[in-house]
Amino acid sequence: EVQLVESGGGLVQPGGSLKLSCAASGFTFSGSYIHWVRQKSGRGLEWVGRIMDKGHSYATVYAASVNGRFAMSRDDSKNTAYLQMNSLKAEDTAVYYCTRDNGRWALGHWGQGTLVTVPS
Amino acid sequence: QSALTQPPSASGSPGLSVTISCTGTNSDVGAYNYVSWYQQHPGKAPKLMIYEVTKRPSGVPDRFSASKSGNTASLTVSGLQAEDEANYYCSSYVGSDTWVFGAGTKLTVL
Repeated sequence: EVQLVESGGGLVQPGGSLKLSCAASGFTFSGSYIHWVRQKSGRGLEWVGRIMDKGHSYATVYAASVNGRFAMSRDDSKNTAYLQMNSLKAEDTAVYYCTRDNGRWALGHWGQGTLVTVPS
Repeated sequence: QSALTQPPSASGSPGLSVTISCTGTNSDVGAYNYVSWYQQHPGKAPKLMIYEVTKRPSGVPDRFSASKSGNTASLTVSGLQAEDEANYYCSSYVGSDTWVFGAGTKLTVL
């Protein structure tokens, strides 16, 4: 069974940093692309970014709203993806999901999410 | 990149059908056959229901179907059931390895 488990969320002051983790199991993590998606309270989904696999040099791409502040990485030996969030703002407050690209331009599996709160 | 446009709400009676629209531009929905739909129940993670405009992942009931015409994609839920009540989000690839979501539609089963 495919599982994605996020952790590392919490309360952080504006301007601070936080690193989220996404532990994967049940599939070949090393060959998968991982996306991060966030959801602000009571609102819609927002695509945050994607990291490719080793074969594509772990290439990353980010939404404009987080570009330059957030950085994705992964450790295939630990089946874990990471989202380093710096210079956090109140508007970054959201539940953050890690998701697995299904190889068909869609997000096939999702974690349960982890809440990040940045007070205003 | 602006969010795709979805109606905030939709509703239908059990056993009947409802269609949710998702309107983008010729730079996203209209440019690629990479529209997907996600179902999200309150407090739960989203679930992929449709990918590549019309395809259903294994396990998704065939009551869920989808299509696209020009810059607008549509999700149809037939034979509505109580468990279909949820929020539905569309998403599209928009080029340059980026994606965009719709604002979501709350489906109510009357």
